[in-house]
Amino acid sequence: GENVEQHPSTLSVQEGDSAVIKCTYSDSASNYFPWYKQELGKRPQLIIDIRSNVGEKKDQRIAVTLNKTAKHFSLHITETQPEDSAVYFCAASSPQAGTALIFGKGTTLSVSS
Amino acid sequence: GAVVSQHPSWVICKSGTSVKIECRSLDFQATTMFWYRQFPKQSLMLMATSNEGSKATYEQGVEKDKFLINHASLTLSTLTVTSAHPEDSSFYICSASGPSGYEQYFGPGTRLTVT
Repeated sequence: GENVEQHPSTLSVQEGDSAVIKCTYSDSASNYFPWYKQELGKRPQLIIDIRSNVGEKKDQRIAVTLNKTAKHFSLHITETQPEDSAVYFCAASSPQAGTALIFGKGTTLSVSS
Repeated sequence: GAVVSQHPSWVICKSGTSVKIECRSLDFQATTMFWYRQFPKQSLMLMATSNEGSKATYEQGVEKDKFLINHASLTLSTLTVTSAHPEDSSFYICSASGPSGYEQYFGPGTRLTVT
């Protein structure tokens, strides 16, 4: 089955800096890669996603890149703000719509002002 | 749009009792729902995939007789933790596939504490 590795496990940056979180996946058939932000005690919130027919997607300060050949994808946050502090999870799922997401172990991002 | 609710938000029960958790898609029909368990400072671990009108598919290591899942309608799935033990204490989160079938929308989670 699918296995998703995520790095780093913790990331501390200064306000205004950029943050990059990287994930690799094992199943070459996976074609959907979302990123979730989870604040303590709350539900994961989808912040951006990408499908395998696209190499990059951007939404304001957040971008995701995908390298299908290398089977890795990354989350880029620019101009970080203290409210970006949270746990971020990457995930992957296989081709059939309605299949489960397999999550990485998460990255705790701390943005200090 | 794509709102998922979960009830209760937290529950405390005694060891040996059963607890039912409900997951509802409020503004869309969800053919497939998923149940995850999350321990403190850990990731979401898939427990089972629930399809409307059919038996749930459980992940390896998840006891289907202990974690009963019912998906009786396109908007409701329930998870019953039977004969709960303290080690079942966790954060249980459901999700539902959105209209495209790819995006998943999560419920707010249920904090279960077994004493």
